Amino acid sequence: ETGVTQTPRHLVMGMTNKKSLKCEQHLGHNAMYWYKQSAKKPLELMFVYSLEERVENNSVPSRFSPECPNSSHLFLHLHTLQPEDSALYLCASSQEDGDNSPLHFGNGTRLTVT
Amino acid sequence: GESVGLHLPTLSVQEGDNSIINCAYSNSASDYFIWYKQESGKGPQFIIDIRSNMDKRQGQRVTVLLNKTVKHLSLQIAATQPGDSAVYFCAENFGNEKLTFGTGTRLTIIP
Repeated sequence: ETGVTQTPRHLVMGMTNKKSLKCEQHLGHNAMYWYKQSAKKPLELMFVYSLEERVENNSVPSRFSPECPNSSHLFLHLHTLQPEDSALYLCASSQEDGDNSPLHFGNGTRLTVT
Repeated sequence: GESVGLHLPTLSVQEGDNSIINCAYSNSASDYFIWYKQESGKGPQFIIDIRSNMDKRQGQRVTVLLNKTVKHLSLQIAATQPGDSAVYFCAENFGNEKLTFGTGTRLTIIP
């Protein structure tokens, strides 16, 4: 149990589908993050939320739309994705954004776009 | 641009031996460093961190060494076990900037 739970674990979707990834953290943290992990590449930061307010959008295409209804939940809404969007999407949380504390990651959603 | 990288993409170590995983960073202003372990099918797991005012920090079976002169970070794992097989990667941070991650080293423990 990592303290950060992501669902679903695996997702296969067509390019015209709409789906959502869900993340829930049970650590009482105030900051939540979405990262993309592709093979042989470093983790790519996508979005940062601090106290439910988006503080960073790292030049992510609009086909990815985050939502943070409260400090414990984070969603990533997906629509009209491309095959190159296939990757492991990781959610993370930390005590505060930018306070030099470690990120705690979930186990990710393995996304395949067909 | 600034980047974090690893010297070796793969490392094989005999069970029971010690292993050393290296990381080079290029931002001399980085002041916080973390090592993560990622097992197959799981997310990255925090192992140990170190701030730039320290040269060494020890945890359970792990030691992180920071050499600011040559901008080098290493993770030493003592008496490796099969469960240590994973991808290990370092991350660096400067001030309020976001963590920058390396690509990782795959550690394989040979029984």
